[in-house]
Amino acid sequence: NAGVTQTPKFQVLKTGQSMTLQCAQDMNHEYMSWYRQDPGMGLRLIHYSVGAGITDQGEVPNGYNVSRSTTEDFPLRLLSAAPSQTSVYFCASSYEGSNIQYFGAGTRLSVL
Amino acid sequence: GNSVTQMEGPVTLSEEAFLTINCTYTATGYPSPFWYVQYPGEGLQLLLKATKADDKGSNKGFEATYRKETTSFHLEKGSVQVSDSAVYFCALSPHQAGTALIFGKGTTLSVSS
Repeated sequence: NAGVTQTPKFQVLKTGQSMTLQCAQDMNHEYMSWYRQDPGMGLRLIHYSVGAGITDQGEVPNGYNVSRSTTEDFPLRLLSAAPSQTSVYFCASSYEGSNIQYFGAGTRLSVL
Repeated sequence: GNSVTQMEGPVTLSEEAFLTINCTYTATGYPSPFWYVQYPGEGLQLLLKATKADDKGSNKGFEATYRKETTSFHLEKGSVQVSDSAVYFCALSPHQAGTALIFGKGTTLSVSS
């Protein structure tokens, strides 16, 4: 059982470049979310989705876009990367009505 | 608003020592507290949880009791092992059926033999 899969594991970007972080889950979870992890900051919610076609902003949404066209996939887009977006990004999913979240292994992003 | 405050680290212990990592929170409604663990190079894994007041979660020798009167969910282990070296996150789901988690800043534990 794959669970939550994130790709790539590592990425280096130049300021102004765009990229998409992929997240896929095979557990048929309705809820998916993106967090970023920064030293001394814990995890902060970027965007989340309660089902296909429905997304909403979290605590730190600026500079990021999301869409949810299928239950399985929840990509995170950086349209114009900035050094402040250097971080480790985690995708998570859960069943509707459950507050137990399952996390992917993370994507480590550096923006130069 | 809702927030989680956990003991700052790093925490360095010798093998078989007793561990306590404090966690307190502020929340409205009926929150559920969690502990997640992140081993080096990996994502977060659920360690234990509680769903109602005075619930005791336990897993892998770790325990935490949800104390509603003190809004706390302190993590304890009687005898740590080198393999317990990791970052521990206290988290809160503000609503029983909610799905958004609020995380503390994390506590790094290093255990030496």
